[in-house]
Amino acid sequence: DAKTTQPPSMDCAEGRAANLPCNHSTISGNEYVYWYRQIHSQGPQYIIHGLKNNETNEMASLIITEDRKSSTLILPHATLRDTAVYYCIVRVGSSNTGKLIFGQGTTLQVKP
Amino acid sequence: GAGVSQSPSNKVTEKGKDVELRCDPISGHTALYWYRQSLGQGLEFLIYFQGNSAPDKSGLPSDRFSAERTGGSVSTLTIQRTQQEDSAVYLCASSFSSGGVFEQFFGPGTRLTVL
Repeated sequence: DAKTTQPPSMDCAEGRAANLPCNHSTISGNEYVYWYRQIHSQGPQYIIHGLKNNETNEMASLIITEDRKSSTLILPHATLRDTAVYYCIVRVGSSNTGKLIFGQGTTLQVKP
Repeated sequence: GAGVSQSPSNKVTEKGKDVELRCDPISGHTALYWYRQSLGQGLEFLIYFQGNSAPDKSGLPSDRFSAERTGGSVSTLTIQRTQQEDSAVYLCASSFSSGGVFEQFFGPGTRLTVL
């Protein structure tokens, strides 16, 4: 079973920030939080990951609470192409690789 | 560079037939994963290969499912005596095994339809 809980759906206006929450209250100290997204009819795409500190890359920002029990993915300026299912995943397995356990994710609909 | 490729892109078969699905990972990636996604469902882990280690088969739904990885590169997922509930998109992913790199790169998937 997935170790994360996400809202099933969210809407966001184009050009505004999309804030996608995720709860992972049972996360272990050495487990990372990953975010992937899946645009319709495509394979999942990696977005970002983090352990303790907040992270930012060209796609998004990841904010992890101090107790690590929840996180938020931020798409700073959502576009229509960001419409997708967003998966928050706590990675299991070895320190370098490991299977991803996907939950149901959040369907983000970006509207004009 | 080339990404993960999968073939065929679509496969229609009759119940009871065997099928083979192929995955070509990104060159140099030592880890390879198979997932499947049934209609309206999330992604389900099936199996993963890491270098020369024994594969993690914990996600295979039945003994009709098997996978091989030859020469540490190409992988084949075989489903024997297919059933209608096997209909799904089968996704392959690969990743580096070196420290500090965690991204799994996914292929476009093979859509399997069992009639």
